[in-house]
Parts: sequence; C-alpha cells; structure tokens
Amino acid sequence: EPEVTQTPSHQVTQMGQEVILRCVPISNHLYFYWYRQILGQKVEFLVSFYNNEISEKSEIFDDQFSVERPDGSNFTLKIRSTKLEDSAMYFCASRDLGAGRSYEQYFGPGTRLTVT
Amino acid sequence: DAKTTQPNSMESNEEEPVHLPCNHSTISGTDYIHWYRQLPSQGPEYVIHGLTSNVNNRMASLAIAEDRKSSTLILHRATLRDAAVYYCILRRREGGTSYGKLTFGQGTILTVHP
Repeated sequence: EPEVTQTPSHQVTQMGQEVILRCVPISNHLYFYWYRQILGQKVEFLVSFYNNEISEKSEIFDDQFSVERPDGSNFTLKIRSTKLEDSAMYFCASRDLGAGRSYEQYFGPGTRLTVT
Repeated sequence: DAKTTQPNSMESNEEEPVHLPCNHSTISGTDYIHWYRQLPSQGPEYVIHGLTSNVNNRMASLAIAEDRKSSTLILHRATLRDAAVYYCILRRREGGTSYGKLTFGQGTILTVHP
C-alpha cells in the first residue's frame, strides 16, 4: 500500500539554525499539507499546498517557514531560524483530488524536531 | 471552524463494541464529519467520514444524528491495536478558501483492556 514517507525521523538542531524537513507524498496525490504537534498537545495545521503554491496557511506559518515542491516528488518544509518553541513532531500529509471517496489525508510517520 | 466536543477518555474491553460520541451542534450544511485516529508515536490515520447518512467501512461505522448535531464512531469489536486517540473533525466542503485543512481537537483517548 502506498505511503507518505518523511526524513529524517529525528532532527536535532541549535537555536537560530535553518532546518529542512523532507516528505515524499503518495505519487498521484495533488494536495499536500504540513501539521505539527508539540509534545502533549493537539495536532495543528500549518499549511496546505496545491498547484505549486500555498493555498492556505495558519497563523503559526509565519515568515520563518516556507514550503517547496522542488522536483515533483519531494515536499519540503524549511524553518529559517529555529526557535526553542519550534520543537515538535512535524507531520506531512497528502491527498488526491478528492473525487468520489478520496477525501482522506494520508499522514507520514513524522519528523521529531528538537531545538536546543 | 465549527467546534466538536468529545469525552477526554473512554475505556473498553477487547472484543467488545465501542461507541465514541462527538457533539457538533454548530455544524453547517457544508461540513463533512471526519474521524481520524492517532496510534501511539504515529501520525494520524483516516478512519471514516460522512455527510448525512450512516457509513460503514472495514474499520468502523459512523452513525450521524438526523439533525447532524452529533455523531458516533462505532468500533464493532475493539482490539488492543485500536487503543489510540480518536479525533472527530468537521471538514468544510471544498471550494472557496477551503483546501481541506483538518482542525484537530484534543480527541478521545481510547484504552482497550485485554
């Protein structure tokens, strides 16, 4: 069964450093998402991406964050200058066009980001 | 986004049915009712969704009240693998400014006893 993959599984970085989290969505999917979950808290939407542009973003997704689909298979989340409060599990998700029954989002296993 | 209310936690015994309730009294006509679950140390996983009619799939059943202000996720025979946090989410129908984002609440922690 196709699945969303994410790398790395765990990233440790120092405050102020740039990090790039990588995701490979399911190959025929067209909508892509990033969510995050701070330890012990709820899953929070960050951004959605469709047709090579951001379609929706949350208040959390400020100028420090950016997303890119550089090569038609990878989907990346970049944090330019990490803060301690960026420490969280970051989940990538993808979905196809949504015709018929295909509304579900498929989530990856997550990347745990630890900012020290 | 319309809000959902779920119990913080529920418990069940293995091989017994589980009914997980969700209240969504402010649901609008364009909101789909989605259920996701999150097993320990994993990403969320789609369970089921519906609009007005009850739905069944291989994982669960979804019973939707006639006025759509509440719904119940039914696991017919709980297994230890069903221990997870279950999220009831209202997802706006596509179009306009909505691209299918999911707004998670705290969910219901389901504990399954052997």
